[in-house]
Amino acid sequence: ETGVTQTPRHLVMGMTNKKSLKCEQHLGHNAMYWYKQSAKKPLELMFVYNFKEQTENNSVPSRFSPECPNSSHLFLHLHTLQPEDSALYLCASSQGDLAGANTGELFFGEGSRLTVL
Amino acid sequence: GQNIDQPTEMTATEGAIVQINCTYQTSGFNGLFWYQQHAGEAPTFLSYNVLDGLEEKGRFSSFLSRSKGYSYLLLKELQMKDSASYLCAVADSNYQLIWGAGTKLIIKP
Repeated sequence: ETGVTQTPRHLVMGMTNKKSLKCEQHLGHNAMYWYKQSAKKPLELMFVYNFKEQTENNSVPSRFSPECPNSSHLFLHLHTLQPEDSALYLCASSQGDLAGANTGELFFGEGSRLTVL
Repeated sequence: GQNIDQPTEMTATEGAIVQINCTYQTSGFNGLFWYQQHAGEAPTFLSYNVLDGLEEKGRFSSFLSRSKGYSYLLLKELQMKDSASYLCAVADSNYQLIWGAGTKLIIKP
């Protein structure tokens, strides 16, 4: 496998459920990200990890809980979500966590489409 | 506040040329990125500009004017596969990416 892989691709959950999104990158990158993408809105940065350490938490509600066990894997644990949390959740990786430093190009996964009922 | 503006949607004809504009107001500037995102797929990197001027890469070119807070992405010889959303993003003084909402480009035969 190459690039950034996200599972599941689609997820439907009730507001009382607990589920997790998984991301895996095979690019040898140090930084990993969770973004939320809603229709016709800019990408919203949620969390950044660099060398497994969280370097950014963009005022995300505690019902979203990230986990980064190593530089290749990133999880987003979900619990007691709200319908407005329905969106596409994108994982990305990069060589460093500074956009614009050494181009800072992001490599994205195809996303997990989340629907909260 | 920080802001990136780009048109919501554009339509162009196969074989033609289209220019997608992006204006920005950010706290500092460390480069501007363009990404392409086909429906249901991952965004993919197209270009990075940090100095003023035009960067050409095949059928795609990206232009930057830092004094005007302005960039455009130019797509030549349009093909049906160019139908996608095009995302503009600026790295601010803290090297954090500020994203536009994206421009959906529709190509008609």
